[in-house]
Amino acid sequence: DAGVIQSPRHEVTEMGQEVTLRCKPISGHDYLFWYRQTMMRGLELLIYFNNNVPIDDSGMPEDRFSAKMPNASFSTLKIQPSEPRDSAVYFCASSLGAGTGELFFGEGSRLTVL
Amino acid sequence: GDSVTQMEGPVTLSEEAFLTINCTYTATGYPSLFWYVQYPGEGLQLLLKATKADDKGSNKGFEATYRKETTSFHLEKGSVQVSDSAVYFCALRGGSYIPTFGRGTSLIVHP
Repeated sequence: DAGVIQSPRHEVTEMGQEVTLRCKPISGHDYLFWYRQTMMRGLELLIYFNNNVPIDDSGMPEDRFSAKMPNASFSTLKIQPSEPRDSAVYFCASSLGAGTGELFFGEGSRLTVL
Repeated sequence: GDSVTQMEGPVTLSEEAFLTINCTYTATGYPSLFWYVQYPGEGLQLLLKATKADDKGSNKGFEATYRKETTSFHLEKGSVQVSDSAVYFCALRGGSYIPTFGRGTSLIVHP
């Protein structure tokens, strides 16, 4: 089975530009999570979806960040406008079923904002 | 709310040394506990898990026992290899369904 697929793997952009990160979860999984990883703050949960519905977006740092999940096989995380402090690795993860199951992570999207 | 505290790194060991990475947690109810590993340039992947008290998770020579009385889930391995060099994350997932991760502990194993 294919795992969680993220694109792009690397993105370098200039401050003020729009950035869109994409994620395809594992087929059949009903939970999807977006995380941000930095040296300073570690792994931060930004938002998560259940059955395509956003459940908790309290981790989204500010209004410049938005996330959507139009269907069960696709999600996007958008930053507009981007700033240098947004530079980080962004991970998407999915899991199956309510409860206490494990998460399956993608390989991440490394974003550098100049 | 839920929280996970794990020892800060880096942990530096010689090959074949014994490894312990401490992890303690705070949670309501009876969460499942996990150890994830992140190799350089990759995403996190599950190393082992335990779903109830006194359960022992094990994989690839690593072990961790769910200790409810001490709210701990320490990771151990009897003989580390250079290929074990990675960042290790302790995590829990409880009744809120929101996974909670520790800060991660970097392990460096020298030949």
